[in-house]
Amino acid sequence: EVQLVESGGGLVQPGGSLRLSCAASGFTFSDYWMSWVRQAPGKGLEWVANLRRDGGAEFYVDSVKGRFIVSRDNAKNSLYLQMNNLRAEDTAVYYCARGITPAAAPPFQHWGQGTLVSVSS
Amino acid sequence: DIQMTQSPSTLSASVGDRVTITCRASQSISGCLAWYQQKPGKAPKLLIYQASILESGVPSRFSGSGSGTEFILTISSLQPDDFATYYCQQCIIHGTFGPGTKVDIK
Repeated sequence: EVQLVESGGGLVQPGGSLRLSCAASGFTFSDYWMSWVRQAPGKGLEWVANLRRDGGAEFYVDSVKGRFIVSRDNAKNSLYLQMNNLRAEDTAVYYCARGITPAAAPPFQHWGQGTLVSVSS
Repeated sequence: DIQMTQSPSTLSASVGDRVTITCRASQSISGCLAWYQQKPGKAPKLLIYQASILESGVPSRFSGSGSGTEFILTISSLQPDDFATYYCQQCIIHGTFGPGTKVDIK
């Protein structure tokens, strides 16, 4: 059974940093693109980042470019999101997601339970 | 960037109703379109991908159609478990979502 478990969320001040983790199991992690999606309180879904299976290509939504870095450790079956210079508008539940096939990021067949990031002074 | 829109933003319906939700892309995305269902406090659930392929385990009352820039999600006979928010997502470049359509009880 595919499982994705996020961790690392919490309360951080504006301008601060946070690192999210996603522990994957139940599939060959290194075969799949992986992604982050977020959802601000009471708002819709927003795609954040995609990362190729070898970590060699990464893509971001414009609003996080230059501040967020997505990475992975295939030996540890883990995906990460390093978030720097956080802003109030980054407050959201962050989901880790996996696509249907190894060759593509979306559509997302599997999701984690999400981890809440709150940016406030 | 590809922008996604959905209509309506809210839909009030009764059990047994036929429901349709429209999703439009700002440029052609061929058939690279997925639909998700989300309930409060839960992660989204994939319903349909490649515009019309039903995800395994999803009831057959859900169907999808369309290509290019206009897509439709249809629920043929709304069930109590279907009251939720529905999102479309393009998958041709990264993964932009539509703003969502909330289906609530009339």
